[in-house]
Amino acid sequence: KAGVTQTPRYLIKTRGQQVTLSCSPISGHRSVSWYQQTPGQGLQFLFEYFSETQRNKGNFPGRFSGRQFSNSRSEMNVSTLELGDSALYLCASSSTDRGLYNEQFFGPGTRLTVL
Amino acid sequence: AQSVTQLDSQVPVFEEAPVELRCNYSSSVSVYLFWYVQYPNQGLQLLLKYLSGSTLVKGINGFEAEFNKSQTSFHLRKPSVHISDTAEYFCAVTLGGFQKLVFGTGTRLLVSP
Repeated sequence: KAGVTQTPRYLIKTRGQQVTLSCSPISGHRSVSWYQQTPGQGLQFLFEYFSETQRNKGNFPGRFSGRQFSNSRSEMNVSTLELGDSALYLCASSSTDRGLYNEQFFGPGTRLTVL
Repeated sequence: AQSVTQLDSQVPVFEEAPVELRCNYSSSVSVYLFWYVQYPNQGLQLLLKYLSGSTLVKGINGFEAEFNKSQTSFHLRKPSVHISDTAEYFCAVTLGGFQKLVFGTGTRLLVSP
């Protein structure tokens, strides 16, 4: 089974631009979560999507948004980029139903640099 | 709300020596606990998890961890480390039924010959 894939792997943008990152979960997985990793703040939860619905959300400004498609692929969008948005963005997928916990499998991440 | 504290930001150790990476958590309800490893330029890989049952949990690559409810700790151990264990290790917690992981700040394990 192929693992979680994220595209692109590296991205350079300038302040004020917007960016879209993509995540393809493991086949059969319906839950996709996004995390931001920075040296200063560490790993922080952005949001989780399950069956095309946002099920949980972290404490990030509205500039960060996401969506999930019917094939479970997910995208996250960051508008009006700031220097502080430079980070490794990790996507994780899992096969889960509410009330149970299943392992989250992480992708390699997208390294976003904002200049 | 849950929180995780990893007491050591960096742990240097010689090859074949034992190691313990410390993790304490805070939560008013029962939680699930995890250790992840991250190698340079890679995502996270699950080492082991505690969901319920035996408090001693064995994971991949010879790692194990012990859940101690009274001390709210979940320390990671390995009896003999290898150079290839050099990586960053993250302790994480989540409530049952939710996929939101709350991570500690990470511990960089540096194994030297």
